[in-house]
Order: sequence, then structure tokens, then C-alpha cells
Amino acid sequence: GAVVSQHPSWVICKSGTSVKIECRSLDFQATTMFWYRQFPKQSLMLMATSNEGSKATYEQGVEKDKFLINHASLTLSTLTVTSAHPEDSSFYICSARGGPSNNSPLHFGNGTRLTVT
Amino acid sequence: AQSVTQPDIHITVSEGASLELRCNYSYGATPYLFWYVQSPGQGLQLLLKYFSGDTLVQGIKGFEAEFKRSQSSFNLRKPSVHWSDAAEYFCAVGVGGADGLTFGKGTHLIIQP
Repeated sequence: GAVVSQHPSWVICKSGTSVKIECRSLDFQATTMFWYRQFPKQSLMLMATSNEGSKATYEQGVEKDKFLINHASLTLSTLTVTSAHPEDSSFYICSARGGPSNNSPLHFGNGTRLTVT
Repeated sequence: AQSVTQPDIHITVSEGASLELRCNYSYGATPYLFWYVQSPGQGLQLLLKYFSGDTLVQGIKGFEAEFKRSQSSFNLRKPSVHWSDAAEYFCAVGVGGADGLTFGKGTHLIIQP
């Protein structure tokens, strides 16, 4: 079945540095990818919608200059956390729509655990 | 805007017993409804979904859910749980297909021997 690969699965970085997380659709083309954030014992919160070849659409309260999203190809979207701070420590999950229809299933990556020290 | 409520933060069930996880949503029209399961440190796995049609939906791993419009609910059920079912369960709603999902806060399922 359709697979979404997310890399890295975990990362530790120092405060003030930037971290890039990749989300790849391995056997299908994804025109739309979504980025979620999950705080410990909390629900997943949609951060942004990433469309190939256009600017990402950010949810209210998400800083677009801090969470840079690039969707340069139909199989890859990246999330860069810039100037990371400890409060950015979280579990980030991407999902990709597995077909051209808006009813196509969503496939989730396994997530990236970010720890900012 | 749509919202999802999972009223039970934790549920403990004996192995072999039946299970029902509650989910209520708020949305003006019929949404797309989903149940996902998340094992520790893992991503999400889709259990089942409802778009339209038969309101009783069968999913993987023996799970089913019933959409009740009058109650704005989409409760997840399983007749007999297994120890491997211990995980976090999320109910989610999508309204336009093109948009991302709105998730409930999740229910942590504990299976006791």
C-alpha cells in the first residue's frame, strides 16, 4: 500500500539552530501534504497544508516564518523549524493524500520527535 | 469551525471484554469521519472511515464504528479486545477533503489481563 516516509524519526538540536524534517511519498504522487504537531498527551494539531508548487497555507496561530514549508516536488515536502527553542520540542507528523481526489485516503508518516535543548 | 470531542481520556478494559470509545463532533453538515490508532512513538494508522452510505462502518483489526447523525456521534467498538489493542485512539473529522483533519484529544486504551 501507499507509504509515507518521514525523516528523521528523531532529532535533538540546540536552541537557536534550525532543523529540517522531510516527508516523502514513496509510491505515489502527493499534490497535497499536511503537517501536524502533537504535544505530549495531546491531540494532533494541523499546522499547515502544503501544495506542490505553491505556498503553504498555515493554520491560525502558526508562525510561517518559523515553520518553513517547501513542497518542491510531488513526492517531497519539507518542514524546517528555524531558530528552534525548547518550546518547539514536539512530535511532528506529516500526511499525504494518496490520489488526485479530495476523497483520496490520507497516509501518515511515522512522525519526527524533535527535542530542543 | 468543526470540533471533535473524545470525552474519555483513559479507558481500561479487560482482555476479551468489549470496547466502546466515544466520539462526538460539531459541524453544520455531514463531515467525513475517521478513527486512527497510534502506538507509542509511531505514526497513525487508519482503522476506518465514514464518508456516506451505510452508517455502520467496518474497519481493520475487528473494529467497527457507527455514525449517528442525531447524536453527532461516531463511536468506535470492538466486541473482544486483545492486549495488542492497547494504544492511543483518535477520532478525526474532515470537512472538505481538501483540508486537513481536526482531531480529538485521543483516548488512551489500557488492556488489563
